[in-house]
Amino acid sequence: EAGVAQSPRYKIIEKRQSVAFWCNPISGHATLYWYQQILGQGPKLLIQFQNNGVVDDSQLPKDRFSAERLKGVDSTLKIQPAKLEDSAVYLCASSMIQGSGNTIYFGEGSWLTVV
Amino acid sequence: GDSVTQMEGPVTLSEEAFLTINCTYTATGYPSLFWYVQYPGEGLQLLLKATKADDKGSNKGFEATYRKETTSFHLEKGSVQVSDSAVYFCALSRGGYNKLIFGAGTRLAVHP
Repeated sequence: EAGVAQSPRYKIIEKRQSVAFWCNPISGHATLYWYQQILGQGPKLLIQFQNNGVVDDSQLPKDRFSAERLKGVDSTLKIQPAKLEDSAVYLCASSMIQGSGNTIYFGEGSWLTVV
Repeated sequence: GDSVTQMEGPVTLSEEAFLTINCTYTATGYPSLFWYVQYPGEGLQLLLKATKADDKGSNKGFEATYRKETTSFHLEKGSVQVSDSAVYFCALSRGGYNKLIFGAGTRLAVHP
């Protein structure tokens, strides 16, 4: 079974530029997550989709970050304009259904460096 | 709000030593508890989980028991190998949306 796919794996941009990350979840998984992992910290949830609807975006900096999940399958996370503090790994994850205890599967992450 | 606290690393051990990584949580109700592992250059992988009090999760020789009375989920392994070197994250989820809340992670380095 294919895992969660993410691209690009690595990106270096200058501050105030824009960047987009793409994610394709495991086939059949209705729930999709984007997490931000800053070096030395645990991942923090940015946004959670159930099919193509947003169920939690309380920690998404909406002035610069946006995400969409058209047709309830793959998703794109965009940052515009980027700040130095956005340097992090952006992890996409998916699970088959919602509900506490269900296994969440993570992709390998997209590493962003803002200079 | 809900939170997870892990022991700070790095933890450095010799091969075949006993491992304990402490994890405690704060949450209302009855969360599910998880250990995820991140090997160098790879994504997060689920190591084990427990969904109710007194449950023991186990995988690859690792074990953790859900202790509600002490709000803990400590990770243990009887004999570590060099290949266990990684960063270990304790996490909880609660409620219908299955949102994972992670600890800061503990880096484990095992030397031959």
